Amino acid sequence: DGGITQSPKYLFRKEGQNVTLSCEQNLNHDAMYWYRQDPGQGLRLIYYSQIVNDFQKGDIAEGYSVSREKKESFPLTVTSAQKNPTAFYLCASSKDSSLEQYFGPGTRLTVT
Amino acid sequence: AQSVTQPDIHITVSEGASLELRCNYSYGATPYLFWYVQSPGQGLQLLLKYFSGDTLVQGIKGFEAEFKRSQSSFNLRKPSVHWSDAAEYFCAVGADNTNAGKSTFGDGTTLTVKP
Repeated sequence: DGGITQSPKYLFRKEGQNVTLSCEQNLNHDAMYWYRQDPGQGLRLIYYSQIVNDFQKGDIAEGYSVSREKKESFPLTVTSAQKNPTAFYLCASSKDSSLEQYFGPGTRLTVT
Repeated sequence: AQSVTQPDIHITVSEGASLELRCNYSYGATPYLFWYVQSPGQGLQLLLKYFSGDTLVQGIKGFEAEFKRSQSSFNLRKPSVHWSDAAEYFCAVGADNTNAGKSTFGDGTTLTVKP
Protein backbone atom coordinates (compact mmCIF):
# COMPACT_ATOMS: atom_id res chain seq x y z
CA ASP A 1 0.00 0.00 0.00
CA GLY A 2 1.76 3.15 -1.22
CA GLY A 3 1.84 6.26 0.86
CA ILE A 4 3.73 8.79 2.89
CA THR A 5 4.42 8.33 6.57
CA GLN A 6 5.52 10.71 9.27
CA SER A 7 6.67 9.77 12.71
CA PRO A 8 6.04 10.31 15.46
CA LYS A 9 2.51 11.74 15.54
CA TYR A 10 3.27 13.77 18.66
CA LEU A 11 6.70 14.97 19.79
CA PHE A 12 7.68 16.83 22.93
CA ARG A 13 11.03 18.50 23.47
CA LYS A 14 12.70 20.90 25.83
CA GLU A 15 13.80 24.28 24.59
CA GLY A 16 17.37 24.27 23.33
CA GLN A 17 17.26 20.73 21.94
CA ASN A 18 17.42 19.82 18.29
CA VAL A 19 14.75 17.41 17.10
CA THR A 20 14.40 15.45 13.86
CA LEU A 21 11.06 14.68 12.24
CA SER A 22 10.86 11.66 9.98
CA CYS A 23 9.22 11.55 6.56
CA GLU A 24 9.22 8.47 4.31
CA GLN A 25 7.43 7.78 1.04
CA ASN A 26 7.15 4.64 -1.08
CA LEU A 27 5.40 6.33 -4.01
CA ASN A 28 8.62 6.64 -6.03
CA HIS A 29 8.15 10.40 -6.08
CA ASP A 30 11.02 12.69 -6.97
CA ALA A 31 9.84 15.79 -5.11
CA MET A 32 9.34 16.13 -1.37
CA TYR A 33 8.30 19.06 0.81
CA TRP A 34 8.08 20.21 4.41
CA TYR A 35 5.38 22.62 5.56
CA ARG A 36 4.63 24.24 8.86
CA GLN A 37 1.06 24.96 9.93
CA ASP A 38 0.11 27.14 12.89
CA PRO A 39 -3.44 27.36 14.31
CA GLY A 40 -5.78 29.13 11.94
CA GLN A 41 -3.08 29.58 9.36
CA GLY A 42 -2.35 28.08 6.03
CA LEU A 43 0.68 26.12 4.92
CA ARG A 44 4.12 27.70 4.98
CA LEU A 45 6.89 26.01 3.00
CA ILE A 46 10.05 25.26 4.96
CA TYR A 47 12.19 23.27 2.53
CA TYR A 48 11.64 21.29 -0.62
CA SER A 49 13.61 18.84 -2.70
CA GLN A 50 13.05 18.09 -6.36
CA ILE A 51 15.62 15.34 -6.59
CA VAL A 52 17.92 13.25 -4.42
CA ASN A 53 20.92 15.11 -2.96
CA ASP A 54 19.40 18.49 -3.74
CA PHE A 55 17.06 20.75 -1.77
CA GLN A 56 16.05 24.39 -1.64
CA LYS A 57 14.92 26.75 1.08
CA GLY A 58 11.27 27.62 1.20
CA ASP A 59 9.71 30.70 2.69
CA ILE A 60 10.60 30.04 6.35
CA ALA A 61 13.81 27.97 6.35
CA GLU A 62 15.57 29.76 9.21
CA GLY A 63 16.15 27.45 12.16
CA TYR A 64 15.50 24.29 10.13
CA SER A 65 17.70 21.88 8.20
CA VAL A 66 17.01 18.92 5.90
CA SER A 67 18.80 16.17 4.01
CA ARG A 68 17.83 14.13 0.98
CA GLU A 69 20.25 11.23 0.81
CA LYS A 70 17.62 8.76 -0.38
CA LYS A 71 14.67 9.20 -2.69
CA GLU A 72 12.31 7.79 -0.08
CA SER A 73 13.37 9.91 2.87
CA PHE A 74 13.38 13.63 3.66
CA PRO A 75 14.00 14.21 7.39
CA LEU A 76 13.56 17.66 8.90
CA THR A 77 15.64 18.86 11.84
CA VAL A 78 14.24 21.63 13.98
CA THR A 79 17.24 23.29 15.55
CA SER A 80 17.51 25.29 18.74
CA ALA A 81 17.83 28.39 16.54
CA GLN A 82 14.16 28.15 15.55
CA LYS A 83 12.48 30.74 17.75
CA ASN A 84 8.94 29.33 17.77
CA PRO A 85 9.18 25.63 16.95
CA THR A 86 5.84 24.53 18.42
CA ALA A 87 3.64 23.80 15.40
CA PHE A 88 2.09 21.11 13.22
CA TYR A 89 4.53 19.86 10.58
CA LEU A 90 3.41 18.31 7.31
CA CYS A 91 5.50 16.40 4.85
CA ALA A 92 4.38 15.88 1.26
CA SER A 93 5.64 14.34 -1.95
CA SER A 94 4.82 14.60 -5.63
CA LYS A 95 5.95 12.91 -8.81
CA ASP A 96 6.81 16.32 -10.22
CA SER A 97 6.66 19.76 -8.67
CA SER A 98 3.86 20.80 -11.03
CA LEU A 99 1.63 17.89 -10.01
CA GLU A 100 -0.54 17.09 -7.01
CA GLN A 101 1.07 16.53 -3.65
CA TYR A 102 0.44 13.61 -1.34
CA PHE A 103 0.55 14.50 2.33
CA GLY A 104 1.54 12.58 5.40
CA PRO A 105 -0.57 12.62 8.56
CA GLY A 106 1.60 15.27 10.20
CA THR A 107 3.71 15.57 13.36
CA ARG A 108 2.66 17.89 16.15
CA LEU A 109 5.76 19.25 17.86
CA THR A 110 5.56 20.89 21.25
CA VAL A 111 8.62 22.61 22.69
CA THR A 112 8.54 23.82 26.28
CA ALA B 1 4.98 35.17 -9.73
CA GLN B 2 2.10 32.84 -9.22
CA SER B 3 -0.38 33.40 -6.40
CA VAL B 4 -3.59 31.89 -5.09
CA THR B 5 -6.31 33.80 -3.28
CA GLN B 6 -9.15 32.29 -1.31
CA PRO B 7 -11.28 35.31 -0.45
CA ASP B 8 -13.39 33.60 2.21
CA ILE B 9 -11.61 32.75 5.44
CA HIS B 10 -14.66 31.10 6.99
CA ILE B 11 -17.96 29.91 5.52
CA THR B 12 -20.95 28.47 7.36
CA VAL B 13 -23.66 26.53 5.54
CA SER B 14 -26.58 24.42 6.69
CA GLU B 15 -26.50 20.69 6.13
CA GLY B 16 -28.13 19.90 2.81
CA ALA B 17 -27.46 23.34 1.37
CA SER B 18 -25.25 23.95 -1.63
CA LEU B 19 -21.67 25.11 -1.28
CA GLU B 20 -19.29 27.18 -3.34
CA LEU B 21 -15.75 27.97 -2.21
CA ARG B 22 -13.92 30.58 -4.22
CA CYS B 23 -10.39 30.43 -5.55
CA ASN B 24 -8.61 32.94 -7.76
CA TYR B 25 -5.14 32.45 -9.13
CA SER B 26 -2.45 34.39 -10.87
CA TYR B 27 -0.37 32.38 -13.30
CA GLY B 28 1.57 32.99 -16.48
CA ALA B 29 0.41 30.02 -18.51
CA THR B 30 -2.23 27.31 -18.28
CA PRO B 31 -2.12 26.29 -14.66
CA TYR B 32 -2.40 22.96 -13.00
CA LEU B 33 -5.00 23.54 -10.29
CA PHE B 34 -5.91 21.54 -7.21
CA TRP B 35 -8.30 21.49 -4.31
CA TYR B 36 -7.36 19.77 -1.06
CA VAL B 37 -9.31 19.11 2.13
CA GLN B 38 -7.89 18.92 5.65
CA SER B 39 -9.72 17.58 8.69
CA PRO B 40 -8.49 18.82 12.09
CA GLY B 41 -5.15 17.32 13.05
CA GLN B 42 -4.79 15.48 9.76
CA GLY B 43 -2.82 15.84 6.57
CA LEU B 44 -4.30 17.22 3.36
CA GLN B 45 -6.19 15.02 0.94
CA LEU B 46 -6.59 15.76 -2.75
CA LEU B 47 -10.22 16.40 -3.73
CA LEU B 48 -9.74 17.08 -7.43
CA LYS B 49 -7.38 18.47 -10.02
CA TYR B 50 -7.45 20.27 -13.34
CA PHE B 51 -4.75 19.92 -15.94
CA SER B 52 -6.47 20.51 -19.28
CA GLY B 53 -9.57 19.62 -21.25
CA ASP B 54 -13.06 19.75 -19.80
CA THR B 55 -13.24 22.78 -17.55
CA LEU B 56 -15.67 21.10 -15.15
CA VAL B 57 -13.87 18.46 -13.13
CA GLN B 58 -15.34 15.93 -10.77
CA GLY B 59 -13.65 14.86 -7.58
CA ILE B 60 -14.14 12.66 -4.59
CA LYS B 61 -16.87 13.03 -1.97
CA GLY B 62 -19.27 14.59 -4.50
CA PHE B 63 -17.22 17.74 -5.11
CA GLU B 64 -16.70 19.43 -8.45
CA ALA B 65 -14.80 22.50 -9.59
CA GLU B 66 -14.97 24.68 -12.67
CA PHE B 67 -11.95 26.30 -14.31
CA LYS B 68 -12.74 29.70 -15.78
CA ARG B 69 -9.75 31.15 -17.55
CA SER B 70 -11.42 34.51 -18.21
CA GLN B 71 -11.99 34.99 -14.49
CA SER B 72 -8.78 33.27 -13.31
CA SER B 73 -10.96 31.21 -11.02
CA PHE B 74 -11.28 27.60 -9.94
CA ASN B 75 -14.25 27.50 -7.59
CA LEU B 76 -15.18 24.38 -5.67
CA ARG B 77 -18.83 23.33 -5.46
CA LYS B 78 -21.01 20.73 -3.87
CA PRO B 79 -24.79 20.51 -4.41
CA SER B 80 -25.66 19.26 -0.93
CA VAL B 81 -23.32 19.54 2.03
CA HIS B 82 -23.04 16.82 4.67
CA TRP B 83 -21.94 17.41 8.26
CA SER B 84 -18.80 15.39 7.53
CA ASP B 85 -17.71 18.02 5.01
CA ALA B 86 -16.79 20.39 7.83
CA ALA B 87 -13.06 20.91 7.34
CA GLU B 88 -10.51 23.30 5.91
CA TYR B 89 -10.19 23.56 2.16
CA PHE B 90 -7.12 24.66 0.26
CA CYS B 91 -6.80 25.68 -3.37
CA ALA B 92 -3.38 25.32 -4.97
CA VAL B 93 -1.58 25.83 -8.26
CA GLY B 94 1.29 23.61 -9.38
CA ALA B 95 4.82 24.85 -9.83
CA ASP B 96 5.92 26.37 -13.10
CA ASN B 97 9.38 27.19 -14.34
CA THR B 98 9.18 30.71 -12.94
CA ASN B 99 8.58 29.58 -9.40
CA ALA B 100 11.59 27.31 -8.91
CA GLY B 101 9.65 24.15 -8.22
CA LYS B 102 7.33 25.54 -5.57
CA SER B 103 3.61 24.99 -5.69
CA THR B 104 1.50 27.78 -4.26
CA PHE B 105 -1.32 27.23 -1.78
CA GLY B 106 -4.09 29.60 -0.79
CA ASP B 107 -4.56 30.43 2.87
CA GLY B 108 -7.53 28.10 3.16
CA THR B 109 -11.26 28.36 3.82
CA THR B 110 -12.74 26.84 6.95
CA LEU B 111 -16.15 25.29 6.38
CA THR B 112 -18.60 24.94 9.25
CA VAL B 113 -21.78 22.92 8.68
CA LYS B 114 -24.85 23.75 10.75
CA PRO B 115 -27.25 20.90 11.55
